Amino acid sequence: AQSVAQPEDQVNVAEGNPLTVKCTYSVSGNPYLFWYVQYPNRGLQFLLKYITGDNLVKGSYGFEAEFNKSQTSFHLKKPSALVSDSALYFCAVRDIIRSNDYKLSFGAGTTVTVRA
Amino acid sequence: GAGVSQTPSNKVTEKGKYVELRCDPISGHTALYWYRQSLGQGPEFLIYFQGTGAADDSGLPNDRFFAVRPEGSVSTLKIQRTERGDSAVYLCASSFSGGRGDTQYFGPGTRLTVL
Repeated sequence: AQSVAQPEDQVNVAEGNPLTVKCTYSVSGNPYLFWYVQYPNRGLQFLLKYITGDNLVKGSYGFEAEFNKSQTSFHLKKPSALVSDSALYFCAVRDIIRSNDYKLSFGAGTTVTVRA
Repeated sequence: GAGVSQTPSNKVTEKGKYVELRCDPISGHTALYWYRQSLGQGPEFLIYFQGTGAADDSGLPNDRFFAVRPEGSVSTLKIQRTERGDSAVYLCASSFSGGRGDTQYFGPGTRLTVL
């Protein structure tokens, strides 16, 4: 079975400081990994994904994430956080070893608060 | 272009009633997914359509839940004899082809409240 863990329920940072949101995963084979952001009363917005290739993935709004196979992690990062980055962030995984399995498995989410 | 749309945005119903939730995917996307998000949790998979057929309905919690996509575009999630535990946000997503590397794009969700 595939699963994702987001070990921090909340992350608080000051505007201008680096932001990191942690994610670890568990799959039978190789993973496809995704990050989404959810603003209040809105759906999930896609940020970035890792499929193959370079372990450092760059996405929308200045976010990036690094795939680390040995640590089974895919942490989301932003060098300089903005107040507008305050939202709920979800990590998701899809296990590519299962040819008929197309669903994403999501973590419980991490609430990011960036203070001015 | 237009994203995934869902109607209604909010639905309040009484225990035991029947409800239908509608999803209109991004034009040209053949794959469509339904997820359910309970308070304080991440979305949980319900069902996946490739074209008109349900390719994977393993996430439907019981036989009160059913979904259709008769023309391979709009989908309707149907819940019979609603229970208070069905209260959640129901999210719909679509992707271009359903390939495992495809990005799923989500709609704003329908918040279902069962009284």
